[in-house]
Amino acid sequence: AQTVTQSQPEMSVQEAETVTLSCTYDTSESNYYLFWYKQPPSRQMILVIRQEAYKQQNATENRFSVNFQKAAKSFSLKISDSQLGDTAMYFCAFMKRWSNTGKLIFGQGTTLQVKP
Amino acid sequence: DTAVSQTPKYLVTQMGNDKSIKCEQNLGHDTMYWYKQDSKKFLKIMFSYNNKELIINETVPNRFSPKSPDKAHLNLHINSLELGDSAVYFCASSQNDLSGGSTDTQYFGPGTRLTVL
Repeated sequence: AQTVTQSQPEMSVQEAETVTLSCTYDTSESNYYLFWYKQPPSRQMILVIRQEAYKQQNATENRFSVNFQKAAKSFSLKISDSQLGDTAMYFCAFMKRWSNTGKLIFGQGTTLQVKP
Repeated sequence: DTAVSQTPKYLVTQMGNDKSIKCEQNLGHDTMYWYKQDSKKFLKIMFSYNNKELIINETVPNRFSPKSPDKAHLNLHINSLELGDSAVYFCASSQNDLSGGSTDTQYFGPGTRLTVL
């Protein structure tokens, strides 16, 4: 069975600085997707970034980038130039690419506070 | 242009009651899901539906019954509500072809906070 672990329950960063959120996962699958979702106080789950395991290149979306280390089963999220609006809970998630269920497996979440 | 919508956003009810949560997506996706987020913010899948057919039921009590009248809607009915059912329930959808084993990014609704008193 797949598991996703986020070992940092809470983090804080000063506005305009860079912060990295950690995620590790365990799977015997070779073909899968990894995601970071953001959940601000509004409760909405917002997709931040997606990585296909078969791609070696790390995904980037504006100020958000990942460091995907397949052999180490690590998938960290880097937020550059942090903004107050980045304050949220961040979830790492795993999904098998060839799946007949589409099941997303989430980590426990990391609460990020961006300070002015 | 709401992609995935849920009603109601808040639901407060007494133990033992029956309630429903509605979900609609206008993305043209084939697959819809229900997730439960508990008081510790942990998210876990409950059901997934592909083209109106139930695909997975993740050990959810029989008191929970999803219904999909068409591909764009997936409602969740809960009978005999218990205190432990208090949580946030999220609907999600994705453009999958689960019969072919192909999966894609899931997009979530705004969530429904259910409080059972």
